[in-house]
Amino acid sequence: GAVVSQHPSRVICKSGTSVKIECRSLDFQATTMFWYRQFPKQSLMLMATSNEGSKATYEQGVEKDKFLINHASLTLSTLTVTSAHPEDSSFYICSARRGQGNEKLFFGSGTQLSVL
Amino acid sequence: DAKTTQPNSMESNEEEPVHLPCNHSTISGTDYIHWYRQLPSQGPEYVIHGLTSNVNNRMASLAIAEDRKSSTLILHRATLRDAAVYYCILSPGAGTALIFGKGTTLSVSS
Repeated sequence: GAVVSQHPSRVICKSGTSVKIECRSLDFQATTMFWYRQFPKQSLMLMATSNEGSKATYEQGVEKDKFLINHASLTLSTLTVTSAHPEDSSFYICSARRGQGNEKLFFGSGTQLSVL
Repeated sequence: DAKTTQPNSMESNEEEPVHLPCNHSTISGTDYIHWYRQLPSQGPEYVIHGLTSNVNNRMASLAIAEDRKSSTLILHRATLRDAAVYYCILSPGAGTALIFGKGTTLSVSS
């Protein structure tokens, strides 16, 4: 079945540094990918919709200059957390839908970001 | 976004069927009903989805009420590996993101 690969699975960084998370659709092309964030014991919160070849659409309250999203190809979207701070520590998850219809979403395995 | 209501938690015993309910009284005619589950420290996993008719797959069955205002995810024989948070989500249209609610935490005892 279709697979979405997300790397790294875990990253620890110092406050003020930037971290890049990659999300790849391994056997299908994804014109749209979605990025979520999840804090402990909470549900997933949609951060942004990543569109291939165009600017991402951010949800209300998500800083676009802090969470940079690039979707340069049909199989790769990246999320860069710039100038990370401890409050950015969270579980980040990407997802993609294979077709254009109301099909299921495939999710990456998630990236646990810890900012010291 | 159309919202869903699920019980916070449910318990089951191994080998027994589990019925996870979901209410979505404001569902529109084009909303699909999606179910996903999430194990700790993992991304969500697709379980099943449907529009009007009941659906079956190797993981579960989805029973949709005739008025579509509620649905039930059925795990026919629960195993310890089925312990997870189960999310019932309405998907309004093609290409749209899924908005997650709080879900139901299913515990399975041996």
